[in-house]
Amino acid sequence: DQQVKQNSPSLSVQEGRISILNCDYTNSMFDYFLWYKKYPAEGPTFLISISSIKDKNEDGRFTVFLNKSAKHLSLHIVPSQPGDSAVYFCAASKDSNYQLIWGAGTKLIIKP
Amino acid sequence: NAGVTQTPKFRILKIGQSMTLQCAQDMNHNYMYWYRQDPGMGLKLIYYSVGAGITDKGEVPNGYNVSRSTTEDFPLRLELAAPSQTSVYFCASKTGSGNTIYFGEGSWLTVV
Repeated sequence: DQQVKQNSPSLSVQEGRISILNCDYTNSMFDYFLWYKKYPAEGPTFLISISSIKDKNEDGRFTVFLNKSAKHLSLHIVPSQPGDSAVYFCAASKDSNYQLIWGAGTKLIIKP
Repeated sequence: NAGVTQTPKFRILKIGQSMTLQCAQDMNHNYMYWYRQDPGMGLKLIYYSVGAGITDKGEVPNGYNVSRSTTEDFPLRLELAAPSQTSVYFCASKTGSGNTIYFGEGSWLTVV
């Protein structure tokens, strides 16, 4: 039972354009969502997060949108840069002191 | 800045052998985690600890053991290695109040 789903295994975007990565979840008890970025042969690194009391959070080129009624969140990267090529994981939790549930990841490829 | 340090980075085990993956963090984090990541899948929680002397099972604990004798160290023990344990293992930590998890660089384990 996949509670957090990233349905696109990969995404290819032209440099300078917008990258949109999507994530769906099934558990309405989730109240905190995070995006992590992972380069090959490295551990995931935290990118941006959003609490369920908000519908948008911005940090520089990265914006996360949360649609609670649709149980959907998305990560927007504008403008996309070659260094953004990585695997992006969406994760959710229902308790800040508890475990995160992870999506399978989306591999983002930024084309020059 | 050491952060979360995992050793070894790569290891090949024979079926039935035992080994310990070491993990140490220097951020004085209370919470520590062990995850595994199989190809094309998200991270699965093996075990976690909320403080020295306290450990608990995650989603996929079978075949593993952990201990937490100090705040800094959280080793993961494989007692009888099986091919199904071929995976990339990530150790991670966080403070008690935050949701952001900090990861080590990963340990690649192959069981043959």
